[in-house]
Amino acid sequence: SQKIEQNSEALNIQEGKTATLTCNYTNYSPAYLQWYRQDPGRGPVFLLLIRENEKEKRKERLKVTFDTTLKQSLFHITASQPADSATYLCALGTNQGGKLIFGQGTELSVKP
Amino acid sequence: GAVVSQHPSRVICKSGTSVKIECRSLDFQATTMFWYRQFPKQSLMLMATSNEGSKATYEQGVEKDKFLINHASLTLSTLTVTSAHPEDSSFYICSATRTSGGETQYFGPGTRLLVL
Repeated sequence: SQKIEQNSEALNIQEGKTATLTCNYTNYSPAYLQWYRQDPGRGPVFLLLIRENEKEKRKERLKVTFDTTLKQSLFHITASQPADSATYLCALGTNQGGKLIFGQGTELSVKP
Repeated sequence: GAVVSQHPSRVICKSGTSVKIECRSLDFQATTMFWYRQFPKQSLMLMATSNEGSKATYEQGVEKDKFLINHASLTLSTLTVTSAHPEDSSFYICSATRTSGGETQYFGPGTRLLVL
């Protein structure tokens, strides 16, 4: 069955360091992958989309890689700040109907 | 742009009553909207895909007669939880994609439902 796994543990890092979050999937061939941020009690907010034919995407302090051979995406936040503390969700999508399948999320905590 | 609102943000109801949740795209048209539920510390689970002017498509295991979805316009979809029970208590979130195209889903702020 289709399965998406993100870092199982919460991630605690020091301010200024680079946070790296992992998203692995099995039995799935996504056309694209998206990363969202979710704060407690709020809806997710879109961050980045990367397509199956793209290896890397950047947006300000964010970088996403996508390896369809390894079936893995890495999400990096450089020069992390306490305001980056949140849960980060990866989501896989196909070109059929726009449905997304979400991972369980990784809770990131950036300490000052 | 791409703002989605939900109303109400929180609702408490008695067991057996029905609750309607509205999802609106405020500054764009959305042919397709999605309804999710999320339990604490868990991922978003897709309940159904709502298309304007047609019947919603429900995910396996989601009772269509219990979770009624109506998408009567390009900016409004509603989810009605009928005969609510305590196990329906959850965080319900909607999202919308632009009619003009694109795969990004824009999420509403969510509705916290508590059934007593």
